[in-house]
Amino acid sequence: DARVTQTPRHKVTEMGQEVTMRCQPILGHNTVFWYRQTMMQGLELLAYFRNRAPLDDSGMPKDRFSAEMPDATLATLKIQPSEPRDSAVYFCASGFRTSGSNEQFFGPGTRLTVL
Amino acid sequence: AQKVTQAQTEISVVEKEDVTLDCVYETRDTTYYLFWYKQPPSGELVFLIRRNSFDEQNEISGRYSWNFQKSTSSFNFTITASQVVDSAVYFCALSEAASGSRLTFGEGTQLTVNP
Repeated sequence: DARVTQTPRHKVTEMGQEVTMRCQPILGHNTVFWYRQTMMQGLELLAYFRNRAPLDDSGMPKDRFSAEMPDATLATLKIQPSEPRDSAVYFCASGFRTSGSNEQFFGPGTRLTVL
Repeated sequence: AQKVTQAQTEISVVEKEDVTLDCVYETRDTTYYLFWYKQPPSGELVFLIRRNSFDEQNEISGRYSWNFQKSTSSFNFTITASQVVDSAVYFCALSEAASGSRLTFGEGTQLTVNP
């Protein structure tokens, strides 16, 4: 049963600390997305990769957020330094795009609380 | 710019009632894709359906059915004979072919099915 996995599932940290969230996409998928869900903003795209190359990170605050794909089985989202307004659920999703837009399969999310 | 509107913030029904969740979208692209996702209380996002802009045929899957009407830019979702397990937040989403699979989500509709 192929699934997107995310670690950690929950993270509580103090303002100013570095936070790293990890995602393992479904094997064979070539597109990886990072979304953030908050009560105020809903679900919003932060960044996405195709074949490990970043295609769009316009939704990400550049000064503190960074996203990478060190290899095809790992995507990371890092916040440094974290702030209370970063508290949210961060979802990773993966899909396989050949043409058109295929469905994205979401991981369980990382619930981040910044105190 | 793409936009998805789910005007119904919350809906409450009694078990076995039929319920329709509305979704209206905006796009300038002629090729686009529409999605519905379910987010149960556990928090994960579950893919339900994908529709491309060239296929207006309605679809039925068990108790679920979808009505896609390009003339009104709507992609409504109906649950027939609702059950308590259908209680969740339902998101409609849009992806333009030109945007490379990125999803724009609506605000979500909280559906509560009471016994």
